[in-house]
Amino acid sequence: AQKITQTQPGMFVQEKEAVTLDCTYDTSDQSYGLFWYKQPSSGEMIFLIYQGSYDEQNATEGRYSLNFQKARKSANLVISASQLGDSAMYFCAMREPRGNQFYFGTGTSLTVIP
Amino acid sequence: EAQVTQNPRYLITVTGKKLTVTCSQNMNHEYMSWYRQDPGLGLRQIYYSMNVEVTDKGDVPEGYKVSRKEKRNFPLILESPSPNQTSLYFCASSLGTAFIEQFFGPGTRLTVL
Repeated sequence: AQKITQTQPGMFVQEKEAVTLDCTYDTSDQSYGLFWYKQPSSGEMIFLIYQGSYDEQNATEGRYSLNFQKARKSANLVISASQLGDSAMYFCAMREPRGNQFYFGTGTSLTVIP
Repeated sequence: EAQVTQNPRYLITVTGKKLTVTCSQNMNHEYMSWYRQDPGLGLRQIYYSMNVEVTDKGDVPEGYKVSRKEKRNFPLILESPSPNQTSLYFCASSLGTAFIEQFFGPGTRLTVL
């Protein structure tokens, strides 16, 4: 079974609008970490936001927030007030401390339309 | 400047010719890892290392070797590359704790003919 599932291969959003990128995960561990990374067309991987499984509040970093629904095993990324520079590939990832492995989803390509 | 460096950044080689992609970090991180990125498949972990002389297989270790003789370096070795190893490779590092993000190198684009 896939550890991380991103069901939206591509998304479009109007500039200044908010957009939600979906991510569901699969783990039997109680303790785990969830991450989102951005990969612009230049290719580098940029860390955006982190959510711990025991964190009661949703993580926020500037215009990025993580909508964490533990019971549903979802960790959606919300980008508010989209900018043209947000056009990129976005990857959801999980780390299970027990196995020390990182698992990435297949990514969502976001295009911001002027 | 805190960073993860990889060399080479681009490499075209032929089937069967051994190659090494170097990875080095200057942040004193315990955890280092190699990934390959392929279209439609996302990033898949090849090998990772929790510390010096400790390495473990990720999801796609076949055809690759690694070593961790020093804390800062984690080279990826392809003893006999094949065309299906054509990919974009990333090295990453993080502190040893589980709840810290990874810092990625710039990537190495490898083509095996």
